[in-house]
Amino acid sequence: GNSVTQMEGPVTLSEEAFLTINCTYTATGYPSLFWYVQYPGEGLQLLLKATKADDKGSNKGFEATYRKETTSFHLEKGSVQVSDSAVYFCALGNRDDKIIFGKGTRLHILP
Amino acid sequence: NAGVTQTPKFRILKIGQSMTLQCTQDMNHNYMYWYRQDPGMGLKLIYYSVGAGITDKGEVPNGYNVSRSTTEDFPLRLELAAPSQTSVYFCASTDPGNTIYFGEGSWLTVV
Repeated sequence: GNSVTQMEGPVTLSEEAFLTINCTYTATGYPSLFWYVQYPGEGLQLLLKATKADDKGSNKGFEATYRKETTSFHLEKGSVQVSDSAVYFCALGNRDDKIIFGKGTRLHILP
Repeated sequence: NAGVTQTPKFRILKIGQSMTLQCTQDMNHNYMYWYRQDPGMGLKLIYYSVGAGITDKGEVPNGYNVSRSTTEDFPLRLELAAPSQTSVYFCASTDPGNTIYFGEGSWLTVV
C-alpha cells in the first residue's frame, strides 16, 4: 500500500541556517506529493505540491522536487526564519485513494 | 469562500456523554476525512468517505461513528465519551487533484 516516511524531529536550527526535511514515499502509479505546515494552535495549511516526476513545488522560500528515481520529496529552504517554526507534514495523494500523511516534523528556529 | 467548516470549535464533555462534530464543505468534493491530533503528535485518520452513502474506517475508528447522507456533510459522532478522546479533531476534503483542505479544528476535552 501507499506510505510516507519523514524524518523525525524535533529539528532545531539557528536563524538563517539551511533547512532540509527528508520525505520518502512508497506508492503505486503516479501520486501527487504535498508539504503541509501547521503553526502553533492552528490547522494544517498547504505549503507546496508537485503532481508529477521532476516537478518542483515552491512557496514562501521553501522548495521540494518530486524525485521518482529516489521516491523522495525533500523539503528545503535556504535561510530559515524564526517565523518558520512549525510542524511540517509530507503527504501523498493517489488517484482514487485516500491521502496519506507522514508523522510530522517539528521545526524550532532559534533567533 | 467558506471551504471546510466544522463546529463546534471548543467543547467540554463529561465521561459517558455523546456529541456530534459537524462538518460541511461547499466545494463539491467527493472525498472527506476526519482526523484526530493528540498534543505534539501527528494526524490519525478516524474515518473517511469517498462519496455520499459510502464511509470507511481509518486507523482509529473505535468509539466513533460517521454518516455521509449528502456530498456536503460528514458529521462525526462520539458515543460514550472517554478521556482518551480528548484531542483536536480536523475535518478535511480533497479536490480531484488530491489537494486536501482542512477545517479549522475542534478542540474537545473529556473530563
